Amino acid sequence: AQTVTQSQPEMSVQEAETVTLSCTYDTSESDYYLFWYKQPPSRQMILVIRQEAYKQQNATENRFSVNFQKAAKSFSLKISDSQLGDAAMYFCAYRLRSGNTPLVFGKGTRLSVIA
Amino acid sequence: GAVVSQHPSRVICKSGTSVKIECRSLDFQATTMFWYRQFPKQSLMLMATSNEGSKATYEQGVEKDKFLINHASLTLSTLTVTSAHPEDSSFYICSASGGAHQPQHFGDGTRLSIL
Repeated sequence: AQTVTQSQPEMSVQEAETVTLSCTYDTSESDYYLFWYKQPPSRQMILVIRQEAYKQQNATENRFSVNFQKAAKSFSLKISDSQLGDAAMYFCAYRLRSGNTPLVFGKGTRLSVIA
Repeated sequence: GAVVSQHPSRVICKSGTSVKIECRSLDFQATTMFWYRQFPKQSLMLMATSNEGSKATYEQGVEKDKFLINHASLTLSTLTVTSAHPEDSSFYICSASGGAHQPQHFGDGTRLSIL
């Protein structure tokens, strides 16, 4: 079974600074997707960024980028120029690429942004 | 972008009643829908996977007779919590996918409170 581990229950960052959220996962599969989702207090699930395992290039979306290390099964999220609106729960998630399979989530990291 | 509508957003009801939650894909056909449950300060846990026209597949520990799932059309899945009790109080969220390799789109969730 696949598992996703987020070892940082809480993190904080100063506004305009950079923060990195950690995620590791365990799988015996080679073809999969990895995601970071943001869940603000409204509890909506907002997709932040997606990475296909077969792509070596790290995904980026504006201020958000990942460091994907396939051999180490590591998938960290870097948020640059942090903004107050970035404060939320962040979930790392895994999904097999074949078939229509569910997401497997980590336990989440609560990010606070300090003005 | 793809939109998933989930209703109701908030339900408060007495112990012993049944509650139905709807999940609709508004602008795409969802061959598969997933139902997750999220307790306070915890992650999303998969309850069941529902494929249009067939019986849902439940995760271990989820009572299929208590959480009835129907996916009768390509745009609608329903979750009925039967004879709800206070321990069923939680945040329930659905996601829908148009098929393998298609992204999952989340509804806004339903906050269920059983008194």
